[in-house]
Amino acid sequence: QKEVEQNSGPLSVPEGAIASLNCTYSDRGSQSFFWYRQYSGKSPELIMSIYSNGDKEDGRFTAQLNKASQYVSLLIRDSQPSDSATYLCALQGTGGGNKLTFGTGTQLKVEL
Amino acid sequence: NAGVTQTPKFQVLKTGQSMTLQCAQDMNHNSMYWYRQDPGMGLRLIYYSASEGTTDKGEVPNGYNVSRLNKREFSLRLESAAPSQTSVYFCASRSGGAGNEQFFGPGTRLTVL
Repeated sequence: QKEVEQNSGPLSVPEGAIASLNCTYSDRGSQSFFWYRQYSGKSPELIMSIYSNGDKEDGRFTAQLNKASQYVSLLIRDSQPSDSATYLCALQGTGGGNKLTFGTGTQLKVEL
Repeated sequence: NAGVTQTPKFQVLKTGQSMTLQCAQDMNHNSMYWYRQDPGMGLRLIYYSASEGTTDKGEVPNGYNVSRLNKREFSLRLESAAPSQTSVYFCASRSGGAGNEQFFGPGTRLTVL
């Protein structure tokens, strides 16, 4: 089992819809969770961090964390074509060095 | 603030050649990281430096060396490049304190022929 699993997609949603991106992880001791957005040919850009169970909202983005079920999700409301990108889930596990482990990403396509 | 900068942006090497990838950050972060990104493999940690003067191996350190020159700069060296090192290399730095967010540089696209 991979440490961080994401569906590679592509996930296609119409403009204005809610996009739901999911991530599961295996390390029960993981404490910090992050969502990065990566446009093609560009570097990852941090969009959300979440540290405790529940929801965290920032503009059109909502991160959801459920440590008991070992999943973290990202909801994008009112999806725009500019949201089309690959979304990377990352977590800080129980190893030292504050290292992050990344999923392979989910490609999101927002269609007009 | 420029954030995290990397040089060069692109590089083509022949097998066996050496080169150093440069990374600098102006955010006064203590920790810095080197990743490689390959299709289908995601981001994998090569080496990291938790603080000035320390370096540690990550998931895929073979064939690489690093130097934490000072608090701002963290370089990655390929002593004898191999085609398997063809990849996109990203440097990142960590904000530290209660947060653990890492911020990435623009990347170096390396091709080894």
